[in-house]
Amino acid sequence: AQSVTQLDSQVPVFEEAPVELRCNYSSSVSVYLFWYVQYPNQGLQLLLKYLSGSTLVESINGFEAEFNKSQTSFHLRKPSVHISDTAEYFCAVRPSYGKLTFGQGTILTVHP
Amino acid sequence: NAGVTQTPKFRILKIGQSMTLQCTQDMNHNYMYWYRQDPGMGLKLIYYSVGAGITDKGEVPNGYNVSRSTTEDFPLRLELAAPSQTSVYFCASSYYQGGDNEQFFGPGTRLTVL
Repeated sequence: AQSVTQLDSQVPVFEEAPVELRCNYSSSVSVYLFWYVQYPNQGLQLLLKYLSGSTLVESINGFEAEFNKSQTSFHLRKPSVHISDTAEYFCAVRPSYGKLTFGQGTILTVHP
Repeated sequence: NAGVTQTPKFRILKIGQSMTLQCTQDMNHNYMYWYRQDPGMGLKLIYYSVGAGITDKGEVPNGYNVSRSTTEDFPLRLELAAPSQTSVYFCASSYYQGGDNEQFFGPGTRLTVL
């Protein structure tokens, strides 16, 4: 079985500041790792995913996440956030064949 | 291509009432899922389906039922609604399960049981 822990339930930041949303996971098998974003009153959208290869993955809107196998972490970062990044972010894991397991979510609020 | 659509967007039920949450996808995906989202709890899988006529329980199936008569539709039925079922419900679909396959989510149904 897998489990995911998002270490911060809420992260308030000012516009143009850097941000890190932390995610740790536990699994007895190899897993794929995902970050989903949920904008207010919308469904979840895939932000980025780690499958294999380079441990640093990037999204089209400036977010990046680094897979750290030894620390079983997959933290999400952005060097400079915008107001439009305000959303809830979910870390998720899935084994090669199996179902997604989601973390509890982190609400990112970007203040002007 | 509408993706995953859900109806209704909002609903208020009285305790003991029943209702069906509708979900339709037009991507010809084999797999469909129902999740509930509660504050601070992430998403919990209620039921899923691997194809028409095949459904299986997820993590929190009690109080719900599903059916999958077509590839496109995956309705979720609540019988005898309870306050504990107040939540936001998301339907999702994917071509197959596992690996890097992306799940596509609908906009959600916000349900309140009073």
